[in-house]
Amino acid sequence: AQKVTQAQTEISVVEKEDVTLDCVYETRDTTYYLFWYKQPPSGELVFLIRRNSFDEQNEISGRYSWNFQKSTSSFNFTITASQVVDSAVYFCALSEYVEGAQKLVFGQGTRLTINP
Amino acid sequence: DTGVSQNPRHKITKRGQNVTFRCDPISEHNRLYWYRQTLGQGPEFLTYFQNEAQLEKSRLLSDRFSAERPKGSFSTLEIQRTEQGDSAMYLCASSLQGRNSPLHFGNGTRLTVT
Repeated sequence: AQKVTQAQTEISVVEKEDVTLDCVYETRDTTYYLFWYKQPPSGELVFLIRRNSFDEQNEISGRYSWNFQKSTSSFNFTITASQVVDSAVYFCALSEYVEGAQKLVFGQGTRLTINP
Repeated sequence: DTGVSQNPRHKITKRGQNVTFRCDPISEHNRLYWYRQTLGQGPEFLTYFQNEAQLEKSRLLSDRFSAERPKGSFSTLEIQRTEQGDSAMYLCASSLQGRNSPLHFGNGTRLTVT
């Protein structure tokens, strides 16, 4: 069965520090997609990135970067020079395709607090 | 930019009452999903529509739950005879067709059953 583990329940850092959110997944599929979503206090899940299982290149988008390592089944997310606006709950998710549906299996989330 | 819209944002109801939530997806998206999120947990898949056809339902969706998507546009999720365990955030998402199309989520409807 598909499973996503985010071992860090809560992280609190001071503004401008770098922070890494860990994500470990389990799947038997050879082709799959991994995602990160941000959930601010407003409740809406905001899509951040999608990565397919064949592309192990790391990706950088501004202050955000992602490190996908298939050998360790990990897809970690790093925020560089964190800002207060980065405070949110972050979810890692793994896609499962059933009857054409892209079902996302989410981790439990990591609550990130950036203190000024 | 019209994203996924959900109404109401909050619903408080007494145990045993029926409730209905509405989701308006992004207009060009033909796939629509319902997820449920309880406090401190990640969202869990409930059901999925491709156009007006409901193609997949989770075991979490008991027979008290019913979802519809008439005409393949907006969707409704009804919970009959609500129980306190139904209290959660109900999230709707939509996407384009395609295995790598990301889901776009709405703000959710927070249900509290007293």
